[in-house]
Amino acid sequence: DAGVIQSPRHEVTEMGQEVTLRCKPISGHNSLFWYRQTMMRGLELLIYFNNNVPIDDSGMPEDRFSAKMPNASFSTLKIQPSEPRDSAVYFCASSLAGLGEKLFFGSGTQLSVL
Amino acid sequence: DAKTTQPTSMDCAEGRAANLPCNHSTISGNEYVYWYRQIHSQGPQYIIHGLKNNETNEMASLIITEDRKSSTLILPHATLRDTAVYYCIVSRSQGNLIFGKGTKLSVKP
Repeated sequence: DAGVIQSPRHEVTEMGQEVTLRCKPISGHNSLFWYRQTMMRGLELLIYFNNNVPIDDSGMPEDRFSAKMPNASFSTLKIQPSEPRDSAVYFCASSLAGLGEKLFFGSGTQLSVL
Repeated sequence: DAKTTQPTSMDCAEGRAANLPCNHSTISGNEYVYWYRQIHSQGPQYIIHGLKNNETNEMASLIITEDRKSSTLILPHATLRDTAVYYCIVSRSQGNLIFGKGTKLSVKP
């Protein structure tokens, strides 16, 4: 299995631009998570989906952030408009839902907003 | 979910056992103890988890005290590739894992 695939690996954009991060979970997994990591705040859970339905989006920082999961094999995290404080590494993870199931993380997207 | 306390950093000699402690004195009866690690610039990697009993897999052993207020992750023969930040997390499920600052383990030759 190729694992959780995230694209792009690196994204550099200017303030005000729209940014879309993509994630392909492991085939057969039915839960998907978006995390953000910064030096100041560490790893933060932004949102997670179960069977393509958003379950908890309380970690989404503000309305500029949105996430979708149109099908079981694809999810996007969009920032519009982007700001310099959004610069971080964004990780996607997937799991087979059930008590105690482990999360598999992707390699992350390093986002720099200038 | 209960909070955990871990040392900021630890050193370990290559080939020796690395014992990483974690305190979780407010853990509830239905909360698991999870361990993940993050090697520099990579995504976190699952290591092991347990509820009450000690657990062992190909990566590590997890020792949970009888009162469940603390646990220890044991890497039996640490290698340089085990240098990473190790996170101890207490949660009812993996649906809302809250990562703290973890323990930075440095394995030295």
